[in-house]
Formats: sequence, C-alpha cells, structure tokens
Amino acid sequence: DSGVTQTPKHLITATGQRVTLRCSPRSGDLSVYWYQQSLDQGLQFLIQYYNGEERAKGNILERFSAQQFPDLHSELNLSSLELGDSALYFCASSVAEGPGLYNSPLHFGNGTRLTVT
Amino acid sequence: DQQVKQNSPSLSVQEGRISILNCDYTNSMFDYFLWYKKYPAEGPTFLISISSIKDKNEDGRFTVFLNKSAKHLSLHIVPSQPGDSAVYFCAASPNYGGSQGNLIFGKGTKLSVKP
Repeated sequence: DSGVTQTPKHLITATGQRVTLRCSPRSGDLSVYWYQQSLDQGLQFLIQYYNGEERAKGNILERFSAQQFPDLHSELNLSSLELGDSALYFCASSVAEGPGLYNSPLHFGNGTRLTVT
Repeated sequence: DQQVKQNSPSLSVQEGRISILNCDYTNSMFDYFLWYKKYPAEGPTFLISISSIKDKNEDGRFTVFLNKSAKHLSLHIVPSQPGDSAVYFCAASPNYGGSQGNLIFGKGTKLSVKP
C-alpha cells in the first residue's frame, strides 16, 4: 500500500459530460502529480502541484484542470469528455518539490479507470 | 519524441536466473533515474533509484546500473522469482538549473519469470 488514495476506482460516463477525480497524498507529502495512461501508451504527465501551487504542466488538455486544496488533497476535473479521454488516471505524491530534489521518488495510487461511452 | 525508451516490450526468464531490463534516454539534463514495477489493476510501485553522480545502486536482489556516456541504464534482478512477473517502467527526472522537473516514463517491459 503506497499510502496514496484515489477515488473513485472506476467511472463510466458519456461524451460531453464532466467528472472529478480525487486524490489524497501520502501523509507528509506536499507534491501531487497527475498522470494519464491510455491503451498502449506509457504514463503521460499531466500536471503537478506543490503545497497548493501549480509547479509544472505537461500535456494537459485545456478541457482538463486540477487544483490542490489546503489539506493537500487534489482533484482533477475533466470536462466535455470525448471517447479518447478513456484511460487510467494516476495520482502520485512525493515529499519534495521535484523527484530529483533529495532523491524523492513518486508514490502512486491505484488509479481511476475512466470509460467514456 | 520519446526521451526515455525501453526497446524490449517483453522479456521471459527462468526462475533463479538473472533478469536484465534495459532503458535508454536522450536528454542529457536527466539526473535522477528510477525503476517502477506495476502489477495489473495496481499503480506503479517504486523499486529502486539512482542519482547521476553514481553508476550503481543495489537493494537486495535489485541492482541498477547507470552508464551516463551511453545514456543507458539497466535493472538487474538476481535471482528472478515468479513474483517478479510484472511490467517494469524506467523513469527519469530532469534538473533544469535547480528547477526540478517531473518524471518521464518509458513505455515499459513486461517481465515473465517462469517456474
């Protein structure tokens, strides 16, 4: 058990809808990262927050947004959903501002499987 | 353009033998490298890491080797066990003059350890 909690485990929704994925980081971790894993694709970085502030942005679509709250949990909002958004969405956390700083690996949750029909 | 490449999608090894998983990278700014193991229906689990100032790091049955000049790293598992059967991801983090980047992952290698 990594200590990172993601809810829900599964989500099935229709095109055009909006969903919210939730993540609670490990106790003491200040950084939260969101990754997307589509079929036959590796893990694609979406966005990172550190202590409530956005730190880095990857290939995140404009239809997607995220935030990190004062209690450090994070939410990923996906709107105007398309069939191609179907994927596994992973949240990860780490103690430091970046993985290379103080050699701080990311610890992953078990993901939310999103199916858009 | 893939910055982290795992060219072998799969690898099959006999129990008790050595498993060697390889990873190549292109970005010379990468300075921290990690290996993750992933079972189906679970998130990636951190296995072992290495900083660019080292060329080897060992943790039990797992050893990671880093060859900076060749931009290549490898994970050795000795001896391999059936429970090691999983997808292994190589990941790297760039250091942009003190601004720490995120992790960039390879596409993974599926390891099967046969009893």
